Amino acid sequence: KQEVTQIPAALSVPEGENLVLNCSFTDSAIYNLQWFRQDPGKGLTSLLLIQSSQREQTSGRLNASLDKSSGRSTLYIAASQPGDSATYLCAVTVSGGSNYKLTFGKGTLLTVNP
Amino acid sequence: GAGVSQSPRYKVAKRGQDVALRCDPISGHVSLFWYQQALGQGPEFLTYFQNEAQLDKSGLPSDRFFAERPEGSVSTLKIQRTQQEDSAVYLCASSLGRQETQYFGPGTRLLVL
Repeated sequence: KQEVTQIPAALSVPEGENLVLNCSFTDSAIYNLQWFRQDPGKGLTSLLLIQSSQREQTSGRLNASLDKSSGRSTLYIAASQPGDSATYLCAVTVSGGSNYKLTFGKGTLLTVNP
Repeated sequence: GAGVSQSPRYKVAKRGQDVALRCDPISGHVSLFWYQQALGQGPEFLTYFQNEAQLDKSGLPSDRFFAERPEGSVSTLKIQRTQQEDSAVYLCASSLGRQETQYFGPGTRLLVL
């Protein structure tokens, strides 16, 4: 069974700092990996999607990398802002017939202090 | 355009009551998913529809949980004889196709007393 682990569980940083969130998964036979953001009382917003054949994806101040063989992904946030405060979730889909089913980690709660 | 909407946003039920949670997907989205998110946990897959067909219900925790999408648009997740362990946020997501990006609704927070 695929298991996804996110470290750290919580992170508090001052505004302007660069930071890295970590995600690991136990089964390397993934179809893709996504990073989501979840704000309190709101649904999930997809930030970046990396296909299994890709190594990284970038969007603005966000960069996500994928090392499928080692079962790891990182989300790098540059020049953090208070508006980045949220819970960040990593999710994978497995290869094969169930490649629509997202398996999530527990998330990292990020607080960016002004 | 409008995103995925869910209703009610909050539901308090007494143990043993039946509840129905509604999801309105993005218009034209073929695929619809339900997830359950317990406090402090990541969402967990419950079930998947392609149009009106329920193709995967492997994540439904018990036979008290039932989902339908009769016309291939709006979906309802029904929980019969609710238990305290059913307390969670229920998230609905839709996508153009099964492998496309899933767009999530705001969720329904269910509290069973």
